[in-house]
Amino acid sequence: GAVVSQHPSWVICKSGTSVKIECRSLDFQATTMFWYRQFPKQSLMLMATSNEGSKATYEQGVEKDKFLINHASLTLSTLTVTSAHPEDSSFYICSAGRGPPPYEQYFGPGTRLTVT
Amino acid sequence: DAKTTQPPSMDCAEGRAANLPCNHSTISGNEYVYWYRQIHSQGPQYIIHGLKNNETNEMASLIITEDRKSSTLILPHATLRDTAVYYCIVRVAGGTGANSKLTFGKGITLSVRP
Repeated sequence: GAVVSQHPSWVICKSGTSVKIECRSLDFQATTMFWYRQFPKQSLMLMATSNEGSKATYEQGVEKDKFLINHASLTLSTLTVTSAHPEDSSFYICSAGRGPPPYEQYFGPGTRLTVT
Repeated sequence: DAKTTQPPSMDCAEGRAANLPCNHSTISGNEYVYWYRQIHSQGPQYIIHGLKNNETNEMASLIITEDRKSSTLILPHATLRDTAVYYCIVRVAGGTGANSKLTFGKGITLSVRP
């Protein structure tokens, strides 16, 4: 099956610092990648959609200057949480789309971010 | 807002079939039904999807009613490892509109008991 990895799997950072999370599709090329956030006992919420080589499209209410997304290649997308605050602590999950529509969307294992 | 409704939870005995219902009464003709599941503290796992015909793969079967207003995911022989939150999602194929995105609702929590 299609494999999507994320790194790191968990990270603790201090308030005010920036954290970068990587998402890789290991055995397929993904022209479209997605970033989700999940708070405890809640469902996944889509933050943004990124296409390789173009700017990401952010969902309403998501600050693009705070959550920087780069999709530089067909197998790698990164999410940088800038000037992190405790309220940014969450489970961040990426997803990569494989194949032509209706493409199957495969998810990474997630990254647990804790901001102290 | 999610376009599907699912019961909040259900349980079944290990080894028995688990039938997970989903209502999507406002589904459009070009929208597919997708099922994902999320085991605690992991990323969602794709299970199956379909348009109007019933589908089967190595994980599950998807039964879609003729009017497409509801569907049932069937895990034929549930195991303890199938305990998870199962999400039923409708989306169109392709495009970049809101209805082409995977929008997760609350899902149904399946508990498989020994």
